[in-house]
Amino acid sequence: QQQVKQSPQSLIVQKGGISIINCAYENTAFDYFPWYQQFPGKGPALLIAIRPDVSEKKEGRFTISFNKSAKQFSLHIMDSQPGDSATYFCAASRFFSSGSARQLTFGSGTQLTVLP
Amino acid sequence: EPEVTQTPSHQVTQMGQEVILRCVPISNHLYFYWYRQILGQKVEFLVSFYNNEISEKSEIFDDQFSVERPDGSNFTLKIRSTKLEDSAMYFCASSDPGQGAGGYTFGSGTRLTVV
Repeated sequence: QQQVKQSPQSLIVQKGGISIINCAYENTAFDYFPWYQQFPGKGPALLIAIRPDVSEKKEGRFTISFNKSAKQFSLHIMDSQPGDSATYFCAASRFFSSGSARQLTFGSGTQLTVLP
Repeated sequence: EPEVTQTPSHQVTQMGQEVILRCVPISNHLYFYWYRQILGQKVEFLVSFYNNEISEKSEIFDDQFSVERPDGSNFTLKIRSTKLEDSAMYFCASSDPGQGAGGYTFGSGTRLTVV
């Protein structure tokens, strides 16, 4: 119930195309859904995030679509650029039962390659 | 922009040896975390630390692991007797609840190689 399932595992897109990465979760205790971008040798960096009371959030070329009833959310990268080539992780966040810190549960990651 | 700093960036150790991974969280953050990423796999939660004690830990965080905040700035992860399967990228993170759920910042990681 703690899992976050992510697909596809890898994605190759032409420059200017749309990249779409999908995630699904089961635990309704999750209340915050961030996407992280990770370049080789670096830590995950927060890209964009959404709360479940919102169906869509857009920041520049990046859009999250959220379907609460289906427990699914997706990242859309419009006008994909070679510089977007990285690994993308979806995640789901909830408070620990102690009510203090938050736990992030990550998806398995998508290796995005944008061809020039 | 404030950063979480981790040292060393890469550590090679022999099986059975003890290693200490070091982190300097963002100064006004209150919660500290260690996550692990085995090569090619997803990032996994190890432990969270608040008010000088462990607040949560995963099943991965067994007796060979320990965390400490020895002074006002450093946050360390100790692996007592390393195994080959401990080889991974270890990420430190810190968060400030005042920034809401988005206040999680990760360091660049320490790549631990156990030989």
